[in-house]
Amino acid sequence: KAGVTQTPRYLIKTRGQQVTLSCSPISGHRSVSWYQQTPGQGLQFLFEYFSETQRNKGNFPGRFSGRQFSNSRSEMNVSTLELGDSALYLCASSLLGGGRDEQFFGPGTRLTVL
Amino acid sequence: AQKVTQAQTEISVVEKEDVTLDCVYETRDTTYYLFWYKQPPSGELVFLIRRNSFDEQNEISGRYSWNFQKSTSSFNFTITASQVVDSAVYFCALRINNAGNMLTFGGGTRLMVKP
Repeated sequence: KAGVTQTPRYLIKTRGQQVTLSCSPISGHRSVSWYQQTPGQGLQFLFEYFSETQRNKGNFPGRFSGRQFSNSRSEMNVSTLELGDSALYLCASSLLGGGRDEQFFGPGTRLTVL
Repeated sequence: AQKVTQAQTEISVVEKEDVTLDCVYETRDTTYYLFWYKQPPSGELVFLIRRNSFDEQNEISGRYSWNFQKSTSSFNFTITASQVVDSAVYFCALRINNAGNMLTFGGGTRLMVKP
């Protein structure tokens, strides 16, 4: 079974631009979560989608948004990029989400904002 | 609110030494899950173990073992006879029962195993 894939793997943007990151979960998984990892703040939960609905949201500004498609693939969007948005963005998928479910993480997208 | 603390930011050992990574958590929920993940330089988080709050049995998997103690809110991870390939950043994480898949991570411990 293929693992969680994320595209692109690396991205360089400038302040003020917007960016869209993509995540394809493991086949059959319906829950997709996104995390931001920075040296200063560590790993922080952004949001979780399940069956095309946002189920949980972390403490991030509205510039961070996401969506999930009917095939469970997910995208996250960051508008009006700031230097502090430079980070590794990790996506994780699980079968149903919560409970005993195990989350499998993708390799991440490293975003650099100049 | 939940919190996970990994007090050791960096540990350096020589190959074959045993090493313990500490994890202390805080939550008011009675049903929760604890996890350990390994993050090698490639960046991908690799799942190591999951424990639920009602199962305090210690677990051993090869050179890895975990000690869960609710009385001290700790979930420590020991690597026996460490190897260079164990060098990575290790994260402890907490998920409460009614929060879907939201994980609260500790700050991570960077383990360096020298030959």
